[in-house]
Amino acid sequence: DVKVTQSSRYLVKRTGEKVFLECVQDMDHENMFWYRQDPGLGLRLIYFSYDVKMKEKGDIPEGYSVSREKKERFSLILESASTNQTSMYLCASSLFIFGTRVKETQYFGPGTRLLVL
Amino acid sequence: TQLLEQSPQFLSIQEGENLTVYCNSSSVFSSLQWYRQEPGEGPVLLVTVVTGGEVKKLKRLTFQFGDARKDSSLHITAAQPGDTGLYLCAGGYAGGTSYGKLTFGQGTILTVHP
Repeated sequence: DVKVTQSSRYLVKRTGEKVFLECVQDMDHENMFWYRQDPGLGLRLIYFSYDVKMKEKGDIPEGYSVSREKKERFSLILESASTNQTSMYLCASSLFIFGTRVKETQYFGPGTRLLVL
Repeated sequence: TQLLEQSPQFLSIQEGENLTVYCNSSSVFSSLQWYRQEPGEGPVLLVTVVTGGEVKKLKRLTFQFGDARKDSSLHITAAQPGDTGLYLCAGGYAGGTSYGKLTFGQGTILTVHP
């Protein structure tokens, strides 16, 4: 059974703290994604990675960085947390199928609800 | 960034009613996916449509991809309280540099009252 796990379901941090959100998938997927989800805004892509040590900025990368040292693990880092980063963070993974117009199903973790005080 | 406009944002109906959720864009997508998300969980894929004009049925749910592959709809017949949740549409891109990225709509919160 497909599984994406996130290190924490709930997290409370203070402004200025460095925050690490971890995501692990057991499906040997090449692609991994970090989104934030806010009411009325849907899912917005922060960063994604298509291979180990490879990363690309998404639509809202400011204030975030990522790390992918192993294929199964993708970390999101908030360098200096701010209150406007209070949100639900979702990690997802998908299989890479080159050159085909194929459905790239994304499998999501349960999310981490982050509160920055 | 390609945008997907999803409507309505909120839908509150009685059990047994029918409803339709719309997803529109000015851009062409190679595929259109619909996800459902329950509170405290991540989104889960319901269906993917890839061909213009394609219609797929999943029990009481009917999904349609527009002929031009710019829009999609989700129709639920005889809604039940178990259908309650957040419904998200997502457009996919073909091409070697797409890396499986999706653009998500804003979501529709559906509440079905017994």
